[in-house]
Amino acid sequence: DAGVIQSPRHEVTEMGQEVTLRCKPISGHDYLFWYRQTMMRGLELLIYFNNNVPIDDSGMPEDRFSAKMPNASFSTLKIQPSEPRDSAVYFCASIRTVQSGANVLTFGAGSRLTVL
Amino acid sequence: AQKITQTQPGMFVQEKEAVTLDCTYDTSDPSYGLFWYKQPSSGEMIFLIYQGSYDQQNATEGRYSLNFQKARKSANLVISASQLGDSAMYFCAMRKRRAQKLVFGQGTRLTINP
Repeated sequence: DAGVIQSPRHEVTEMGQEVTLRCKPISGHDYLFWYRQTMMRGLELLIYFNNNVPIDDSGMPEDRFSAKMPNASFSTLKIQPSEPRDSAVYFCASIRTVQSGANVLTFGAGSRLTVL
Repeated sequence: AQKITQTQPGMFVQEKEAVTLDCTYDTSDPSYGLFWYKQPSSGEMIFLIYQGSYDQQNATEGRYSLNFQKARKSANLVISASQLGDSAMYFCAMRKRRAQKLVFGQGTRLTINP
């Protein structure tokens, strides 16, 4: 099991550029989450999907952010145009839900974004 | 709305001592789950322990145990016999049983001194 795979691990870009972050969830997992971590705001849920369908995008900061999940093994988070305040670590995470049990969220290693 | 509060921004503990990290939560839902995650300096999020709101006993996982006091809405993490490798950020999180999203507290930075 390769775990949740995120790319790139580090991204440095200039203000105004488009940024695309990628995620491959664990095979068989039916939920996928995008979180953002900053010193000021901690870990914030941006959006999550169930069986590739967006369920709750209320955490997406503004229209500059968009996320897609075209199939069960791939998701993207796009920022266009990027701004310095978007600098953060972006985590992707997934779950395979079962009727009983903890349904533990498994995180990827994160993508550290720096917008200059 | 769900809310998780971790009141200790930082803690310093001597190696081999036990440490308790505080977590209180607020929800009106009778069914929920509580989680603790560890984030070392390398940045990954590592699941430690889980407690369901209807579980009769406090959860334990090796050196980790969860002191669950439902009436007080607290779910403190206890680490016994602390080790240098326990130095990390620790996050408490909650999920309503009917939802899958996890809401996190602000975290506590634990430093173990030799």
